[in-house]
Amino acid sequence: GESVGLHLPTLSVQEGDNSIINCAYSNSASDYFIWYKQESGKGPQFIIDIRSNMDKRQGQRVTVLLNKTVKHLSLQIAATQPGDSAVYFCAENHTGTASKLTFGTGTRLQVTL
Amino acid sequence: DGGITQSPKYLFRKEGQNVTLSCEQNLNHDAMYWYRQDPGQGLRLIYYSQIVNDFQKGDIAEGYSVSREKKESFPLTVTSAQKNPTAFYLCASSIEVGGSQPQHFGDGTRLSIL
Repeated sequence: GESVGLHLPTLSVQEGDNSIINCAYSNSASDYFIWYKQESGKGPQFIIDIRSNMDKRQGQRVTVLLNKTVKHLSLQIAATQPGDSAVYFCAENHTGTASKLTFGTGTRLQVTL
Repeated sequence: DGGITQSPKYLFRKEGQNVTLSCEQNLNHDAMYWYRQDPGQGLRLIYYSQIVNDFQKGDIAEGYSVSREKKESFPLTVTSAQKNPTAFYLCASSIEVGGSQPQHFGDGTRLSIL
C-alpha cells in the first residue's frame, strides 16, 4: 500500500467516540482553511472548509473550529466509524494574493473496534 | 461524473529516462497543480497553471517540466535531471489560483526507479 503517512502522529479512537484532530498554521494572514482526508493509495479528498470571518462550521458529522488568536484549526468527527480511518491534513491560504495552499503534514486517525 | 483522472497509477523509470504523468480534468477549472508527496511530509508544489498556455514554477520545480496546451490537460514530465524522483505525484485543480475554493485532487501516480 501507499507509504504516505509514515512517521506521522497517530490518533487512535474507538468506534463510536468523537475524534478531534488539530492543526497549527503559521501565516497570520491566512484567511481560508481546508481539511482533507487521504486514504491509503488515494488522493486527498475535500472534507470541509472555513473562511476567517467564521470560527465554526459544521458539515455532516464534521465540525471545523478556527481560533485565529492562536492560529489553530481543529476538525471534530462525531461518532467515528472504521471508514474514517485515514490521514487528515489541513491547508491554509491567503486569498486574493495568487498565493497557493500550504499543506500541513497530517495526522493518522486509527479507528479501533 | 466530474473529476480528475491521473494515469498511470504506477510508473517505473529507468536511469536517464524522462517519463510523463498524465492529468485530465473535466471540472472546467482554470487552475491546475502538480504536487509531490513524500512520507511524513506535506504536499510540495512542483508547478501550477492559472490558465491555458501559462504555468509557473512552484517550490520544487527543478528536474520537472509541464505544459498546458488545453484547459483539461496538465501533463508533468519528470526528467533525468530529477535525481530523486521516487514519490507519489498528485494533480489538482481549482476554479482559480488564490481564491477561496478548495483544490480537488486526482488519485495520484506512484513513480519508482528501476
